Amino acid sequence: KQEVTQIPAALSVPEGENLVLNCSFTDSAIYNLQWFRQDPGKGLTSLLLIQSSQREQTSGRLNASLDKSSGRSTLYIAASQPGDSATYLCAVQGAQKLVFGQGTRLTINP
Amino acid sequence: GAVVSQHPSRVICKSGTSVKIECRSLDFQATTMFWYRQFPKQSLMLMATSNEGSKATYEQGVEKDKFLINHASLTLSTLTVTSAHPEDSSFYICSAKLSGLSGSQYFGPGTRLLVL
Repeated sequence: KQEVTQIPAALSVPEGENLVLNCSFTDSAIYNLQWFRQDPGKGLTSLLLIQSSQREQTSGRLNASLDKSSGRSTLYIAASQPGDSATYLCAVQGAQKLVFGQGTRLTINP
Repeated sequence: GAVVSQHPSRVICKSGTSVKIECRSLDFQATTMFWYRQFPKQSLMLMATSNEGSKATYEQGVEKDKFLINHASLTLSTLTVTSAHPEDSSFYICSAKLSGLSGSQYFGPGTRLLVL
């Protein structure tokens, strides 16, 4: 059974800092890994999707890496802004379903 | 990008009533749609996988007679919470998947259900 863990559960940093969110998964037999953003009371916004054959994906200030063999992914956010405050979820796509981590609640302080 | 809508966005109902939630893929056809439930400050838990024209596949512990899923077309799936009780209050999110095992899932904005 796939299990996805995100560390830390919550993170609060000053505006402008670079930061890293971590995601680990127990079963390396995945098709892809996605990072999502969720604002309070809202749905999910897909940020980055990394196929199992890829090592990283970049979009603007976001960079996600994937090390499938070790079951790890990181989301790097550069030059953080207050608007980046949200919960970040990682999810891995297996043969049957998408399994989510518990999320990291990120607060960027002005 | 692909857009998925849900209706209603918020619903309040009395205990014992049934509530229907619609999930639509607006600009693409989705042979597979998924229904998730999210309790406060928790992650999304898959409830069921819905394939167009066939019966939904429910995750362990999800009552199929309570959570009725219909996927009658390639752009619409519905979730009906029958005889809702306060413990069914939650945030329900659907997603629609493009074809292929590595295809992305696109998520709807969610429906907040409150059962009094």
